[in-house]
Amino acid sequence: DVKVTQSSRYLVKRTGEKVFLECVQDMDHENMFWYRQDPGLGLRLIYFSYDVKMKEKGDIPEGYSVSREKKERFSLILESASTNQTSMYLCASSPAFEQFFGPGTRLTVL
Amino acid sequence: RKEVEQDPGPFNVPEGATVAFNCTYSNSASQSFFWYRQDCRKEPKLLMSVYSSGNEDGRFTAQLNRASQYISLLIRDSKLSDSATYLCVVSLQGAQKLVFGQGTRLTINP
Repeated sequence: DVKVTQSSRYLVKRTGEKVFLECVQDMDHENMFWYRQDPGLGLRLIYFSYDVKMKEKGDIPEGYSVSREKKERFSLILESASTNQTSMYLCASSPAFEQFFGPGTRLTVL
Repeated sequence: RKEVEQDPGPFNVPEGATVAFNCTYSNSASQSFFWYRQDCRKEPKLLMSVYSSGNEDGRFTAQLNRASQYISLLIRDSKLSDSATYLCVVSLQGAQKLVFGQGTRLTINP
């Protein structure tokens, strides 16, 4: 079975803090993605990566950056967390079109 | 206009009923189509791909109408365990990037 793990299920941070969300997949997938999911807005793509050290902006990259130093790991970074970044963050990996999601991180920024 | 539009529901139907959802997409270049299922407080998982000729998987039937740019999902003999949010998903040709609808929430009542 494909396994995608995320570093935390719940996280509470303060405005202005730097936040790291980690995602690890164990299936040697080339593609990895970060989404946020908000009520009424669905899943929105923040960043994605097709290969190690490669990254591309999704639909809502502002306020976020990413890092992919190893194939299995894709990190999402909030340089200076703001309250409007309170959300559910979902990581996914994919060999082609089917995406396998991690359990999500519920981030609250106070 | 959203790239992928779904009626958010909620749909409340009795066990054993047949229920159908539609989804419309705006980009005529979209090539691949999927339905994902997301249980409450869980990550999305692929339910089925949608092919031009239509396809069936047990009680579930998916259809694609390219001329009208809509996708449908039919669930027959609904079960309590079918209660979930159903996400309509499309991608452009050759792109692993997926665009998600906001989801249709379904509750099956005993």
